[in-house]
Amino acid sequence: KQEVTQIPAALSVPEGENLVLNCSFTDSAIYNLQWFRQDPGKGLTSLLLIQSSQREQTSGRLNASLDKSSGRSTLYIAASQPGDSATYLCAPRDQTGANNLFFGTGTRLTVIP
Amino acid sequence: NAGVTQTPKFQVLKTGQSMTLQCAQDMNHEYMSWYRQDPGMGLRLIHYSVGAGITDQGEVPNGYNVSRSTTEDFPLRLLSAAPSQTSVYFCASRTRSPRGADTQYFGPGTRLTVL
Repeated sequence: KQEVTQIPAALSVPEGENLVLNCSFTDSAIYNLQWFRQDPGKGLTSLLLIQSSQREQTSGRLNASLDKSSGRSTLYIAASQPGDSATYLCAPRDQTGANNLFFGTGTRLTVIP
Repeated sequence: NAGVTQTPKFQVLKTGQSMTLQCAQDMNHEYMSWYRQDPGMGLRLIHYSVGAGITDQGEVPNGYNVSRSTTEDFPLRLLSAAPSQTSVYFCASRTRSPRGADTQYFGPGTRLTVL
């Protein structure tokens, strides 16, 4: 069974800082990996999807990288803003069976104005 | 497109009651799934479906039933609610692409409390 770990569990940074969120997973046989954002009391919003054949994906101030062989992904947020405050979840998608997503417990980010 | 919709947003049940959480998507996605989210445990897969008439169990299926009679709808039934089923429930959908380029979309969630 895929196990997903996200470190740190919580992070607090001043506005304007660049930051990195880490995700590790135990089974490298994945199709892709998605990063999601979840605001308190809300659903999950997809931020980036990296296919297993890709090394990184970029969207605006966000850059996600994937090292499938070592079971790691990082989400880089440039020039953080208070509106970036949320919980960030990574979810690798298994190659086996129905190719389900597995989730970590997330990193809760607070950007201080 | 409305995307993935869920009803109700909130529900309070008494132990032993049954109910159905509704999920619908208008993106013609073959794959649909239900997750529950509990504090400190992340999202866990309850049941999933790869197409109309096809369902299977996920990680935590006990106490829940599903059916998939149409592509659009994937209801989750709680047979006899227990306090351990107090949670936030999310429905999700995506296309079935073996190339790994398909994004999974989530509904807004149903917050369920069982007394």
